[in-house]
Amino acid sequence: GESVGLHLPTLSVQEGDNSIINCAYSNSASDYFIWYKQESGKGPQFIIDIRSNMDKRQGQRVTVLLNKTVKHLSLQIAATQPGDSAVYFCAENISGGYQKVTFGTGTKLQVIP
Amino acid sequence: NAGVTQTPKFRILKIGQSMTLQCTQDMNHNYMYWYRQDPGMGLKLIYYSVGAGITDKGEVPNGYNVSRSTTEDFPLRLELAAPSQTSVYFCASGESYGYTFGSGTRLTVV
Repeated sequence: GESVGLHLPTLSVQEGDNSIINCAYSNSASDYFIWYKQESGKGPQFIIDIRSNMDKRQGQRVTVLLNKTVKHLSLQIAATQPGDSAVYFCAENISGGYQKVTFGTGTKLQVIP
Repeated sequence: NAGVTQTPKFRILKIGQSMTLQCTQDMNHNYMYWYRQDPGMGLKLIYYSVGAGITDKGEVPNGYNVSRSTTEDFPLRLELAAPSQTSVYFCASGESYGYTFGSGTRLTVV
């Protein structure tokens, strides 16, 4: 089965509110976690990543939180905009090379104007 | 800077036909990847390459072949197409965990 999974397949958020997308993982050997955004009809786009020795990392309007105790990852998007509407994937890397990345099934974020 | 370019964007194949999906990157990346994405699903790794002349199987390699004669190009070959290969195919490249993806090839096998 999937090592990386998502709690909610669809998330609807009012424009201007903050969004939180959750992800669970099961492999304790994972040393890197990555978030991608995929807009309709396009390829995934890298958003942010975090190493397993960190518990928080911030980017532009996005924050990723990592809780290794419960094997949980979240992506927070501040002041959600219509352009944030997309499917968001979390992915994990098991140590051993860039090619060992496993993608989750994705969460669809719908922004309500 | 074009990034990762995939051709064709769409293709319909009949069962048993073969085709090559083209992928080119202009970022001089050593690492390149082929993924397939089925409806409502995540991405599954088909094949990857860590440099020219070096390829290896991913999670779902059956029914596919690849080659890597240059750093720029990483074509994916489908032999004897089957309905189970109906999917969207993405090529990606990267020198870190943040890959750059192409826009995909939507393939239907009928």
